[in-house]
Amino acid sequence: EAQVTQNPRYLITVTGKKLTVTCSQNMNHEYMSWYRQDPGLGLRQIYYSMNVEVTDKGDVPEGYKVSRKEKRNFPLILESPSPNQTSLYFCASRGHSNQPQHFGDGTRLSIL
Amino acid sequence: KQEVTQIPAALSVPEGENLVLNCSFTDSAIYNLQWFRQDPGKGLTSLLLIQSSQREQTSGRLNASLDKSSGRSTLYIAASQPGDSATYLCAHSGAGSYQLTFGKGTKLSVIP
Repeated sequence: EAQVTQNPRYLITVTGKKLTVTCSQNMNHEYMSWYRQDPGLGLRQIYYSMNVEVTDKGDVPEGYKVSRKEKRNFPLILESPSPNQTSLYFCASRGHSNQPQHFGDGTRLSIL
Repeated sequence: KQEVTQIPAALSVPEGENLVLNCSFTDSAIYNLQWFRQDPGKGLTSLLLIQSSQREQTSGRLNASLDKSSGRSTLYIAASQPGDSATYLCAHSGAGSYQLTFGKGTKLSVIP
């Protein structure tokens, strides 16, 4: 089954403790992306990757890092999380630019 | 900066009614326009993607249209059912851009 898998689904942690949210897709997609979703602000793009070793900033990249060492994986790294990064995070992937994006089920992060 | 607006923010209709959800965007240099559905606690599911060269796309009871000149897209849902209750989001992909810009969504409730 074609899918985008995120882990963990839920995480409560404390300010400053480094964390990584993993994202994996099994569709051999070149393009992957991370979004955060906040009430009243909607979905905003954090980072995206056009292919292995090729990444670029989205609209809200501050406080986040990404890497794309393999085609299937695109982890999101919060090196020093802060409470304003409490949010619902989604990973997505797609093939050709005129194909729809496939989304994971989301990761709800709470940073105390 | 690209902006995508969805009106209304929430809509409640009785079962069986036909309805239209609206999406407007500021950048007419569009590559494609996508409609997604989001259920509570879940990721986004792609419903329809309209390429810039197309005027509409249909899938079952759903029909999406695109008018680039006026910067508008509509999602028509025929014979609504309680299972259609969800938040519907539209997203604009600009020409030459790797980014999707999302509207804030319309929360639809279909009352049995």
